[in-house]
Amino acid sequence: EPEVTQTPSHQVTQMGQEVILRCVPISNHLYFYWYRQILGQKVEFLVSFYNNEISEKSEIFDDQFSVERPDGSNFTLKIRSTKLEDSAMYFCASRGPSGRRYGYTFGSGTRLTVV
Amino acid sequence: DQQVKQNSPSLSVQEGRISILNCDYTNSMFDYFLWYKKYPAEGPTFLISISSIKDKNEDGRFTVFLNKSAKHLSLHIVPSQPGDSAVYFCAASVRGSQGNLIFGKGTKLSVKP
Repeated sequence: EPEVTQTPSHQVTQMGQEVILRCVPISNHLYFYWYRQILGQKVEFLVSFYNNEISEKSEIFDDQFSVERPDGSNFTLKIRSTKLEDSAMYFCASRGPSGRRYGYTFGSGTRLTVV
Repeated sequence: DQQVKQNSPSLSVQEGRISILNCDYTNSMFDYFLWYKKYPAEGPTFLISISSIKDKNEDGRFTVFLNKSAKHLSLHIVPSQPGDSAVYFCAASVRGSQGNLIFGKGTKLSVKP
């Protein structure tokens, strides 16, 4: 069964450092998403990406965040200057055109720890 | 602003019995509702969805019921199995959006042998 692959599975970074979280969505999917889950809280939408541009973003997705699809297969989330409160599980997801009915495929997540 | 609410943080059920997980929502613009299951250290896994124009959708042991007038949906698992033990998230997407999901806080289901 096709998978969404995320790397690394766990990243520890110093406050103020830049991090890049990587995702390889399912190859024929067209819509890509980043979500995050702070420990003990709900999964929160960050950003959606379609046709090589951001289609929607939440209030969380401020100027510190950016996304890119640099080579047609990878989908990355960059946090420019990490803060302690950025510590969370970050999930990448993708879907095809019918995904609103058949669900989105999520990756296993990257646990980001900012120290 | 909790547009999707799962008011029970946990539920414990005996193997073979029915598990009923509940979800309430406030936004009338939601057009799809989805249930996800999540194990520790894994991403959410899609279980079943329902369109806002339906009131029931069934897939094997899983049935989702939607009551639009009450803005309430529920997931029934029959019969429950120990492998069903996980956190279950209710999620919804807004009509006309790119389909980004709004999640509830989740309900931890424990199915005891």
